[in-house]
Amino acid sequence: EPEVTQTPSHQVTQMGQEVILRCVPISNHLYFYWYRQILGQKVEFLVSFYNNEISEKSEIFDDQFSVERPDGSNFTLKIRSTKLEDSAMYFCASTRADTQYFGPGTRLTVL
Amino acid sequence: DAKTTQPNSMESNEEEPVHLPCNHSTISGTDYIHWYRQLPSQGPEYVIHGLTSNVNNRMASLAIAEDRKSSTLILHRATLRDAAVYYCILRGPVWGTPLVFGKGTRLSVIA
Repeated sequence: EPEVTQTPSHQVTQMGQEVILRCVPISNHLYFYWYRQILGQKVEFLVSFYNNEISEKSEIFDDQFSVERPDGSNFTLKIRSTKLEDSAMYFCASTRADTQYFGPGTRLTVL
Repeated sequence: DAKTTQPNSMESNEEEPVHLPCNHSTISGTDYIHWYRQLPSQGPEYVIHGLTSNVNNRMASLAIAEDRKSSTLILHRATLRDAAVYYCILRGPVWGTPLVFGKGTRLSVIA
């Protein structure tokens, strides 16, 4: 069964550094998402992407964040200058209809 | 987004049925009721969804009240692998709409 994959599984970075989280959505899907989950808290929506542009974003998704689909398969989330409060699990998801399929997540630790 | 209310936690014995309730008294006529679950250290996983009629799939059943103000996710025989946080989410009919997660119900399964 096709699945969403994410790399790396764990990323440790210093505050102020740039990080890029990578995702490979399911191949025939049309919508792509990033969510995050701070330890012990709810899963929060960050951004959705459709037809090569952002279709919706939350208040969390400020100028420090950007997304890109550089080729036909990868979907990336970049955090320009990480803060301590960016430490969280980041989940990528994709869909072609009404069911979202989530990846296993990347644990980002900002020191 | 219309709000859902779920118990914080529930417990079940292994191999017994589990009924997970969700109240959504402000649901609109076009909102679908979606259920996702999140196993420990994993990304959310789709379980089932419906609009008005009861639904069954290989994972679970969804019973929707006639007035649609509440629904119940039914796991017919709980296994240890079903221990997870279960989220009841209302979602409009437009494809691509992001999911809004609440705190969900943490289901513990006792052997």
